[in-house]
Order: sequence, then C-alpha cells, then structure tokens
Amino acid sequence: AQSVTQPDIHITVSEGASLELRCNYSYGATPYLFWYVQSPGQGLQLLLKYFSGDTLVQGIKGFEAEFKRSQSSFNLRKPSVHWSDAAEYFCAVGVRGNKLVFGAGTILRVKS
Amino acid sequence: DAGITQSPRHKVTETGTPVTLRCHQTENHRYMYWYRQDPGHGLRLIHYSYGVKDTDKGEVSDGYSVSRSKTEDFLLTLESATSSQTSVYFCAISARDRVGSPLHFGNGTRLTVT
Repeated sequence: AQSVTQPDIHITVSEGASLELRCNYSYGATPYLFWYVQSPGQGLQLLLKYFSGDTLVQGIKGFEAEFKRSQSSFNLRKPSVHWSDAAEYFCAVGVRGNKLVFGAGTILRVKS
Repeated sequence: DAGITQSPRHKVTETGTPVTLRCHQTENHRYMYWYRQDPGHGLRLIHYSYGVKDTDKGEVSDGYSVSRSKTEDFLLTLESATSSQTSVYFCAISARDRVGSPLHFGNGTRLTVT
C-alpha cells in the first residue's frame, strides 16, 4: 500500500542556516509528489510538486525538492531559513482517484 | 485562497450528538475531499466526492457520512460524535480528474467532542 514517511517529527535550525526535510515514499507506480506547508491555525499551502522530468523542482518561498527514485525520496531544501519559515511541513504522494496520502509532518522551529 | 469556506471554524459538542460540518467552494471544482488532521498522523482521508451525488470512502470513514447535492457544497456528518473524533477537519478541492493534481485546502474546522 502507498505510504509516506517523514522521519523527523521536529527540526530546529538557526535563522540563516540551510534546511533539509526528509521524505520517503512507497508507491508502486510513477509517483506524483508534493510538499505542503501549514502555518498555525491555517490550512495547507502547496509549496511545490513533482510529476516527471527534471528531478530538481523549484517551489515558492525559495524552497526546492529533489526526487531520487533509487532512494524513494523527495527531500525538501532551502539554502537559508527565515524566521517566517517556522511551520509544519507535509510531504504527500498522489494516488489513484486523485487523492493524496500524507506523511505525519515535520515541525520546523527557527532559532534567532 | 482557493475560494473554500469551512463552517463552523470551531465547535464543541457532546458525545453522542450528531454534528455536520460544511465545506463551500466558489471555484466550481469537481473533486472535493474531507481530511482529518491528528498529531502524529498527518492528514487522513475520510471521504471524497468526484461529482454531485458521487462520493466514496477514504481510509478513516467509519462513523462519518457525507453528502453532495450541489457542486459547491460538501457536507460531513458525524452521526453520533465520539471523543476519538476530536480533531481538526480540512476540506480540499481539486479541479482535475487525474492523479497528481494538486489539492487546495480550506482553513479547517476544529471539533472538540466532550
């Protein structure tokens, strides 16, 4: 069955430092992969998506993600984190029926 | 925002009472979804709809029912609320009918069952 694993429940980084959030997926077919961000009390906002082609995808707010089929991974990165990036981040895989299966999320804290 | 309104935004109810949450969209999108969000579980799909009167179950559908009589409205009903249904409920919509289409989310309804 399809699943998404985000190994890190919490991550703390200093403002200005680089960030990498990990995501591993399990899906039998070609994966469609997404990263969403959720600020406190808000809904989820789409950061970026991967369908096919270039394995490095760019998103909003300076985020990027790299698809690695051999590792079944889709890690999210940002070269320099800002305090406003503090939020919860969700990785998801698109499955048949136009549904999304989500990981458990990673809470990002930013130290000033 | 994607033109999604969830109501109410907050609700406290007692065990055993029925509860209906509403999702209203102004985008005329075909697909609508109800997810629940719980710590450690991320978002899990309760029910979804691929058109008026066309609905199907998700992975955590027990204790929930849905109805979609108009394109713009998708209702989620807890027939007899239990404490395990205390959660944040999100509605989502999607315009396209193929795998990989992004979902756009409402701001959620926080439900507490006492």
